[in-house]
Amino acid sequence: EAGVTQFPSHSVIEKGQTVTLRCDPISGHDNLYWYRRVMGKEIKFLLHFVKESKQDESGMPNNRFLAERTGGTYSTLKVQPAELEDSGVYFCASSPPLAGGRYTQYFGPGTRLTVL
Amino acid sequence: ELKVEQNPLFLSMQEGKNYTIYCNYSTTSDRLYWYRQDPGKSLESLFVLLSNGAVKQEGRLMASLDTKARLSTLHITAAVHDLSATYFCAVVWNTGNQFYFGTGTSLTVIP
Repeated sequence: EAGVTQFPSHSVIEKGQTVTLRCDPISGHDNLYWYRRVMGKEIKFLLHFVKESKQDESGMPNNRFLAERTGGTYSTLKVQPAELEDSGVYFCASSPPLAGGRYTQYFGPGTRLTVL
Repeated sequence: ELKVEQNPLFLSMQEGKNYTIYCNYSTTSDRLYWYRQDPGKSLESLFVLLSNGAVKQEGRLMASLDTKARLSTLHITAAVHDLSATYFCAVVWNTGNQFYFGTGTSLTVIP
């Protein structure tokens, strides 16, 4: 069974540009999560999808971040315009449709975003 | 907001030695996870601890949970080089689905 995949693995952009990150969850996993780890800090929650609906987006830092999950399969996270403080590693995770989503989350390898 | 403190941040140990990583959290939780991450790879789930006094073991790693003390430990026995990685604990707050992570412990096992 394929794990959670993320694309790209690395992205280097200039301040003010736009970047779109993609996550493909494990097939059949209704729950999809985005997290971010800024250098030296803990991994922090951004948002949670159940199928195509945003269940919890309390961790989104500001309106420059837009997450979508059309059709309830893959998800994209767009940063527009990117700022220096957006640099970090963006992780995606998915989990099966059990117990309201409170189940082991399976993580992708992350996308390392560098904003210059 | 739930806070998770993990220590040490960095751990360098010789092969064959024992050591413990600690994970303290600030608010009641009924579920604690330990993950391992190798450079450039995904976070790999190691253990799920669901109740007070829970103990799980896999190879040279043993995890335990004390919900009253809000403390989990990850004990490493007779370390080997293959255990070198970053280890994270993560806690789920009772009312939500998001994981709250510790800062991670970067473990290096020296031959």
